[in-house]
Amino acid sequence: SQQGEEDPQALSIQEGENATMNCSYKTSINNLQWYRQNSGRGLVHLILIRSNEREKHSGRLRVTLDTSKKSSSLLITASRAADTASYFCATDAKSSGDKLTFGTGTRLAVRP
Amino acid sequence: DAGVIQSPRHEVTEMGQEVTLRCKPISGHDYLFWYRQTMMRGLELLIYFNNNVPIDDSGMPEDRFSAKMPNASFSTLKIQPSEPRDSAVYFCASSGTSRETQYFGPGTRLLVL
Repeated sequence: SQQGEEDPQALSIQEGENATMNCSYKTSINNLQWYRQNSGRGLVHLILIRSNEREKHSGRLRVTLDTSKKSSSLLITASRAADTASYFCATDAKSSGDKLTFGTGTRLAVRP
Repeated sequence: DAGVIQSPRHEVTEMGQEVTLRCKPISGHDYLFWYRQTMMRGLELLIYFNNNVPIDDSGMPEDRFSAKMPNASFSTLKIQPSEPRDSAVYFCASSGTSRETQYFGPGTRLLVL
């Protein structure tokens, strides 16, 4: 089964609104990363949060991590049409050696 | 920096043919990963290398798949013989250390007829 599973699977919002995506995972992690994938493109790294961090910001992105609940959330504030993409969380689990395990992704559509 | 380079970008072939996908990682990166992405199964790790040595190939679906990394700047993923169920987008990614950012190539979209 997937180490990381995103919720919701799809999200449609109006430009200017905030978008929140959640990721749940099963085992202890070293870090958790979020990636974006535009249609027909490769994944692009957005942000990494380590297991001893609770919150991290990067521009309009805010990531939180709750290791007690084994969950993370990605907040995109003041969304733009260009934010339309799929967003994936990826976990570096302590039991998985060098591998990242990617979740199923959230498809975000931002309407102009 | 040119980023991770993959070729070809698109490949259409007939069942039974051999397919070779190519990847040039970012210079100086020690890790190289091959992934496959489909609608049904999402993004799956097939194999990864560290310093040109295959470390974990447990994701390779079957013996028809093989991967090599003859030097630090080149890797291939080969499917022989190809089957329609191999149709997917294949990504190569590289990283400086295994637990940090992975840089993905643009992918090879494979269609096996």
